[in-house]
Amino acid sequence: DIVLTQSPALAVSLGQRATISCKTNQNVDYYGNSYMHWYQQKPGQQPKLLIYLASNLASGIPARFSGRGSGTDFTLTIDPVEADDTATYYCQQSRNLPWTFGGGTKLELK
Amino acid sequence: EIQLQESGPGLVKPSQSLSLTCSVTGYTITSGYDWSWIRKFPGNKMEWMGYISYSGSTNYNPSLKSRISITRDTSKNQFFLQLNSVTTEDTATYYCARSAAAIGWFAYWGQGTLVTVSS
Repeated sequence: DIVLTQSPALAVSLGQRATISCKTNQNVDYYGNSYMHWYQQKPGQQPKLLIYLASNLASGIPARFSGRGSGTDFTLTIDPVEADDTATYYCQQSRNLPWTFGGGTKLELK
Repeated sequence: EIQLQESGPGLVKPSQSLSLTCSVTGYTITSGYDWSWIRKFPGNKMEWMGYISYSGSTNYNPSLKSRISITRDTSKNQFFLQLNSVTTEDTATYYCARSAAAIGWFAYWGQGTLVTVSS
């Protein structure tokens, strides 16, 4: 299985930039696409897709969210951070079955 | 707009089977896409359990392969999860979700249902 590693938590100030990282133990690129996706989950809610294929903004997601990376190193950036962004953020790969998730990064405000 | 909704017992005894239903509205499950079950354990770990495709083929996480079955009722536009021989380690919030066929990101999710395994 492909293992995805995220830092457990990140604290940032309102209006600043948050950068959340996800590292994989295998390359998730294939034919020009990086099969890495990002989700936001707030307590009591289902996950919400933010970014697909590493850098594509999902429908209805504000441009404050962006993703980049390739191979085994990926980042999700929120700039500027708003109060409503406090949540847990997960990366997920679909390069190989079984599809796997990172452990999540909890974003908190300083 | 597409909506997914999980339903089923919230409490299951150890060694019994867990059975959940995902009801889909706004899209016909035989028209396309893969239809997955995903669970989130206490402590935030998430696990993709398996999917049934629009054509009816299935793919399961090998960690569950001997215990899991995903089926569907096309007349009701529903798909189902059965997990056999559950233990307390199967306590989790269970989600159904839709993903693009063979591409594997989850654009639509149900609200989730908490299943507790306890005697």
